[in-house]
Amino acid sequence: GAVVSQHPSRVICKSGTSVKIECRSLDFQATTMFWYRQFPKKSLMLMATSNEGSKATYEQGVEKDKFLINHASLTLSTLTVTSAHPEDSSFYICSATKPDRPYEQYFGPGTRLTVT
Amino acid sequence: GENVGLHLPTLSVQEGDNSIINCAYSNSASDYFIWYKQESGKGPQFIIDIRSNMDKRQGQRVTVLLNKTVKHLSLQIAATQPGDSAVYFCAEIPTGNQFYFGTGTSLTVIP
Repeated sequence: GAVVSQHPSRVICKSGTSVKIECRSLDFQATTMFWYRQFPKKSLMLMATSNEGSKATYEQGVEKDKFLINHASLTLSTLTVTSAHPEDSSFYICSATKPDRPYEQYFGPGTRLTVT
Repeated sequence: GENVGLHLPTLSVQEGDNSIINCAYSNSASDYFIWYKQESGKGPQFIIDIRSNMDKRQGQRVTVLLNKTVKHLSLQIAATQPGDSAVYFCAEIPTGNQFYFGTGTSLTVIP
């Protein structure tokens, strides 16, 4: 199997606070994890690519100081939205790949962030 | 990013009919394509994939067709069921593991 979990599934935070989202590969070691953002009725937008033990690679236009990514182990990556604002409200989805199958991304269930 | 887009943003079909969802891609060098299904409030689920050296691949009730000449990809769902209602994305993988997703088509199955 290849199960990816995310926690929390939903979070509401106040403007100006920070929130951390966890992405875990439950039954495999993930060499690479990806973070996506999705707006309602829109496609997935890649935010960053994260490799264990190294700095994440951010896509153009994504603020690395705003969206902190830590890939501390082969089964865990975290996304921290710092000083959140209402415009950061979105659906955040992570995915992970196995070392021997880099073309296949296994997606987590997503985290709904609402900033009030 | 790569331009991977869908022709139809919404599609409604009668239960039992066949569904065809289309996707256009822009990079002729892309080697790998995947169709994903995303139900409301959930992450994308893998449906079927196809490599560039193939024209057609069949799964259970689903078939993916690849036309490299016109850079077109389609997903055919046979005997569409209410549980097939979801948003369907195509993804293009030009190199390595970088994915580029299309805009998505929302499929609604009418009972």
